[in-house]
Amino acid sequence: AQSVAQPEDQVNVAEGNPLTVKCTYSVSGNPYLFWYVQYPNRGLQFLLKYITGDNLVKGSYGFEAEFNKSQTSFHLKKPSALVSDSALYFCAVPGNTPLVFGKGTRLSVIA
Amino acid sequence: GAVVSQHPSWVICKSGTSVKIECRSLDFQATTMFWYRQFPKQSLMLMATSNEGSKATYEQGVEKDKFLINHASLTLSTLTVTSAHPEDSSFYICSARETGEVSPLHFGNGTRLTVT
Repeated sequence: AQSVAQPEDQVNVAEGNPLTVKCTYSVSGNPYLFWYVQYPNRGLQFLLKYITGDNLVKGSYGFEAEFNKSQTSFHLKKPSALVSDSALYFCAVPGNTPLVFGKGTRLSVIA
Repeated sequence: GAVVSQHPSWVICKSGTSVKIECRSLDFQATTMFWYRQFPKQSLMLMATSNEGSKATYEQGVEKDKFLINHASLTLSTLTVTSAHPEDSSFYICSARETGEVSPLHFGNGTRLTVT
């Protein structure tokens, strides 16, 4: 079964520092991987996806994600965090349901 | 980009009443829409898949008589929580996808339901 794991419930980072939100995947066949962000009391917003091609995928709001096949990882990154990046982040992969989501990682960027 | 509009954004109702939530795809047609429920500090749980012109497909454990889904057109799906109880209080989110498995899901802004 397709699945993703987000090992961290919470990530804290100082404003201006680089941030990483981790995701590992377990899929059969070619992996299609997604990152979404959820702000309080809002739906999910699509950030980026990996289908094929370059291992470094650039997305919205300055985020990028690095696909690593040998480590089965798809970590979300941003070179310089903003306070406004504080939100809940979900990694996802297509499965029997339209998307199988990780449990989410809450990112707090501290000024 | 594709936009999914969900209404209302929040609703408070009394126990025993019914509440309807609307989900619209604004600039694309969606033969399939998805309804999720999210508990505090938890991930999204798929409740059902809404199919235009046919019956919805419910996930295991979801009561189809309590959560009525209607998908009457290619741009509108509705979720009606019937005879609501306090335990139905939750955040409900709809989503839709443009054609293709690898197209991203687009989500509505969610509906916060509080049953008193």
